[in-house]
Amino acid sequence: QSALTQPRSVSGSPGQSVTISCTGTISDLGTYNYVSWYQQHPGKAPKLIIYDVTERPAGVPDRFSGSQSGNTASLTISGLQTEDEADYYCCSYAGSYTALFGGGTKLTVL
Amino acid sequence: QVQLQESGPGLVKPSETLSLTCTLSGGSMDSKYWSYIRQPPGKGLEWIGYVFSSGSTNYNPSLESRVTISLDRSKKQYSLKLTSVTAADTAVYYCARGYHTFDVWGQGTVVTVSS
Repeated sequence: QSALTQPRSVSGSPGQSVTISCTGTISDLGTYNYVSWYQQHPGKAPKLIIYDVTERPAGVPDRFSGSQSGNTASLTISGLQTEDEADYYCCSYAGSYTALFGGGTKLTVL
Repeated sequence: QVQLQESGPGLVKPSETLSLTCTLSGGSMDSKYWSYIRQPPGKGLEWIGYVFSSGSTNYNPSLESRVTISLDRSKKQYSLKLTSVTAADTAVYYCARGYHTFDVWGQGTVVTVSS
């Protein structure tokens, strides 16, 4: 199992939208619709912000949205706010009751 | 409010066994998966494995030969043992609920492997 592929960094200005991609293989993202996304601020534990590709847990703003096409999942953050600056990780079910994370993307809000 | 809290030694010697415990408060362990996840310094997240409320387990194939996760329902705790550790096992170790979607996380505990 190799980690899912994410861009190392993305950036945007307040109010803009950014999209973070997460690319896997036919063995994980290409087969299963169990993609989740996590936001991690420095020194803090990750926080679930998207699950099952498109679903948001209670309390997560609708500025965060998820999608998937084939082997690639995406997280879009619209109306960027300064507090969105963080690391973002995707995760996919990889079969045989295992999970696989992406390498993480650092979002900078300029 | 469901909360998880990791505990255990912060320093482990090379070749020895890393042992951590995660304690659940504010909820039940029933019919849930309970995982450990780690994050080396400056790096990404790695799923280590889970224990289901029945006691069944599954592990990351890359760590399977060295990992054991067990459950003590009476104490609402589950534990991680990682044998034959090296410096590459230095990381923040998190416990979390779930096995491919992790909705509750502990705060994490730093484990350093060093002599």
